[in-house]
Amino acid sequence: DGGITQSPKYLFRKEGQNVTLSCEQNLNHDAMYWYRQDPGQGLRLIYYSQIVNDFQKGDIAEGYSVSREKKESFPLTVTSAQKNPTAFYLCASSPWGRDLNTEAFFGQGTRLTVV
Amino acid sequence: GQQLNQSPQSMFIQEGEDVSMNCTSSSIFNTWLWYKQDPGEGPVLLIALYKAGELTSNGRLTAQFGITRKDSFLNISASIPSDVGIYFCAGQLGYGNKLVFGAGTILRVKS
Repeated sequence: DGGITQSPKYLFRKEGQNVTLSCEQNLNHDAMYWYRQDPGQGLRLIYYSQIVNDFQKGDIAEGYSVSREKKESFPLTVTSAQKNPTAFYLCASSPWGRDLNTEAFFGQGTRLTVV
Repeated sequence: GQQLNQSPQSMFIQEGEDVSMNCTSSSIFNTWLWYKQDPGEGPVLLIALYKAGELTSNGRLTAQFGITRKDSFLNISASIPSDVGIYFCAGQLGYGNKLVFGAGTILRVKS
């Protein structure tokens, strides 16, 4: 079945450590996105990528980094520079193109907790 | 960034009641999407709208793309307990543009 997979589901990080969240999709989508969601809040865009080897900052990119070496994969690294990293992280993918509607499909999310 | 105003922020309704929520923007969108998020899960796409005035149903859910292209609403008929969750609207400004999300409507249903 085609879909988008995030791992792990739960992640614990010590203060001062970097941690990487995985996101893989087999939908053949060009675009991939990372969102952050805090309790009772909406989705805030961290980074997005429209094509391999290219990515753009979203609204809250500080303290995060990404890479897009393969079309299927868009890992997110939460660095020690992110002051308040505890949150629910959502990855999404969508078609991308001049004449395409952008229906985004989401993974199951990763809940990151700093201990 | 671009803003979508989604309302109400939350609602607490009786089982069996109909529910209505909407999103508005000062900008014109060419696509409106409605998602539902269950606790601890990723949002799931419910309905996609592509044309101004379009009215689309998915079971007990009905959504419309506003004629001005600046708004959309979602109706849920005869609500049931499993309708609880957060409902998000999302809009695409133009082909090739990323989605903009509303802040969500939290729905709670009393059985």
